[in-house]
Amino acid sequence: DGGITQSPKYLFRKEGQNVTLSCEQNLNHDAMYWYRQDPGQGLRLIYYSQIVNDFQKGDIAEGYSVSREKKESFPLTVTSAQKNPTAFYLCASTPFAGLTTGELFFGEGSRLTVL
Amino acid sequence: DQQVKQNSPSLSVQEGRISILNCDYTNSMFDYFLWYKKYPAEGPTFLISISSIKDKNEDGRFTVFLNKSAKHLSLHIVPSQPGDSAVYFCAASAQGNEKLTFGTGTRLTIIP
Repeated sequence: DGGITQSPKYLFRKEGQNVTLSCEQNLNHDAMYWYRQDPGQGLRLIYYSQIVNDFQKGDIAEGYSVSREKKESFPLTVTSAQKNPTAFYLCASTPFAGLTTGELFFGEGSRLTVL
Repeated sequence: DQQVKQNSPSLSVQEGRISILNCDYTNSMFDYFLWYKKYPAEGPTFLISISSIKDKNEDGRFTVFLNKSAKHLSLHIVPSQPGDSAVYFCAASAQGNEKLTFGTGTRLTIIP
């Protein structure tokens, strides 16, 4: 079945440690996105990538980094510089760059808790 | 600056009745609007969308209404079913902009 796979589903991290969240899609979609969900704040865009080897900052990119070396993969690293990393992280994709239809396909999310 | 607002954090509706979820936006450049449904610990799933050239779009029990002059959209679910209990997000995009802007969500609870 085609879809977006995020791993791990749950992750605990000590303060000061970097952690990488995996996102893989087999939908052959061009564009991929990382969102963060916090209670009462909806979904906020961290980074997005329209094409391999290119990505742009979203609204809350500070303390995060990404790479897009392959079309199907868009890992997110939460660095120790991120002041409040505990959140639910969602990866998404769209078939074409430019979001012409607007519909995002989401993975099931990764919950990161900093101890 | 919250460009897409859902002012009701929660809503409870009896099974079989109509659920109306509201969303307001401030950016007049937005021309495409979507609703997503999200269950706990899962990713959101697309529900229905509407382009700014329309004022209504229906899909089964779900209808989205758009009032451009008021910068307001609403999602109507009728009849409401227990499986509709979820958090609903509205989202908006502008032509040529590859980003979606999401609202804060409304938790809908359907009471059997």
